[in-house]
Amino acid sequence: VQLLQSGAEVKKPGSSVKVSCETFGGTFSSYTISWVRQAPGQGLEWVGTISPLLGIPNYTQKFQDRVTITADISTSTAYLELSSLRSEDTAVFYCARDRLESGMDVWGQGTTVTVSS
Amino acid sequence: QSVLTQPPSVSGAPGQRVTISCTGSGSNIGATYDVHWYQQLPGTAPKLVIYGNTNRPSGVPDRFSGSKSGSSASLAITGLQAEDEADYYCQSYDSSLSGAVFGGGTKLTVL
Repeated sequence: VQLLQSGAEVKKPGSSVKVSCETFGGTFSSYTISWVRQAPGQGLEWVGTISPLLGIPNYTQKFQDRVTITADISTSTAYLELSSLRSEDTAVFYCARDRLESGMDVWGQGTTVTVSS
Repeated sequence: QSVLTQPPSVSGAPGQRVTISCTGSGSNIGATYDVHWYQQLPGTAPKLVIYGNTNRPSGVPDRFSGSKSGSSASLAITGLQAEDEADYYCQSYDSSLSGAVFGGGTKLTVL
């Protein structure tokens, strides 16, 4: 299984960004996809998870009012959309195949989102 | 402030053994949720090195081992090598937050 993320984004404060994560190999609908954020020089932070089969996302409370995670089984692609961007949202966003009891075993290469006026 | 607590840094000479601790609480590690460990080299995505508290994915050297007791877990690396120099993160699930939680990360320096 491989996860390929979309390219770097530069956004203005107040705008939105949508990052994609296309999976190759495996059965997309059989596992969950988690999104993890890493601000510059900081640690890893879980943003949310989605089961493509169920289509039901679960978000961390910190971003719950600004984040939307979706999955398209027909294209084996998961998406993360973050709205009302501010400068402190600048970070690298990773998608990962989340095997829950077996950890996040496959990661995308990361997408850098820069928020700057 | 991370839900899981790790030391900011550890160090060791080549060939030595180091351990990295990860302390949680009754809503995560102490609630019997599994602990996973990730290695992150500079500028790269994290890599799973221990899952389910003690299991190594295929391809991870047996120099890496994990343990868990109560509300804490540990990652041990024996026979330190220069290539082990990286940031290490523990991760579990938290029932009160209803989601995954990470430790703040530990920078391993090979002297």
